[in-house]
Amino acid sequence: QSALTQPASVSGSPGQSITISCTGTSSDVGGYKFVSWYQQHTGKAPKLMIYDVSNRPSGVSNRFSGSKSGNTASLTISGLQAEDEADYYCSSYASSISLVFGGGTKVTVL
Amino acid sequence: QVQLVQSGAEVQKPGASVKVSCKASGYTFTSYDINWVRQATGQGLEWMGWMNPNSGKTGYTQKFQGRVTMTRDTSISTAYMELSSLRSEDTAVYYCARIPSNCISTTCTLQYWGQGTLVFVSS
Repeated sequence: QSALTQPASVSGSPGQSITISCTGTSSDVGGYKFVSWYQQHTGKAPKLMIYDVSNRPSGVSNRFSGSKSGNTASLTISGLQAEDEADYYCSSYASSISLVFGGGTKVTVL
Repeated sequence: QVQLVQSGAEVQKPGASVKVSCKASGYTFTSYDINWVRQATGQGLEWMGWMNPNSGKTGYTQKFQGRVTMTRDTSISTAYMELSSLRSEDTAVYYCARIPSNCISTTCTLQYWGQGTLVFVSS
């Protein structure tokens, strides 16, 4: 399956809100509720931020929220902070017990 | 607490094989699948496949079919990923990650990740 489509970069000033999109097809994003978002700082392992489209794991700030419409999922970061500067990846279940990732989005805090 | 601890960095020659281990602790090893994901330097995450530690069943993405083998040793709660016929393009950090077995009935998300293992392929 093809990778999900994410913008290469998104930037915002501290305190602002930004949204990262993740576009797939009806065979992945649009067909299942299993969209996840991961944050990855340089040299570190990915960290789960959102699962099942809009759920936050324990310990993740409520400044992070997720949604989905059709074949496109979105991650919104509110009240942008310097520590949010990282790469963000979406993933989706894609049938036959397989997963697919997006290409990643670099978030820059101006 | 749940932990996945991977083996150390490897340097291999083209054509060789590499076997990366992933030791689980803090939960029942056979109750969750292990997935493997790799990331080339400066690139995105690439899903490779899954292994069910209880049954030993596996599933690999087409790109790696015939070159990857995922196994486990339940006596030491450890999963393995072996990649053969290595080429320079296989130079990457390889991650193991935990996902609920039969995730479609719960959640198909990689909640816990290992720290990553760098595999460097060079002559």
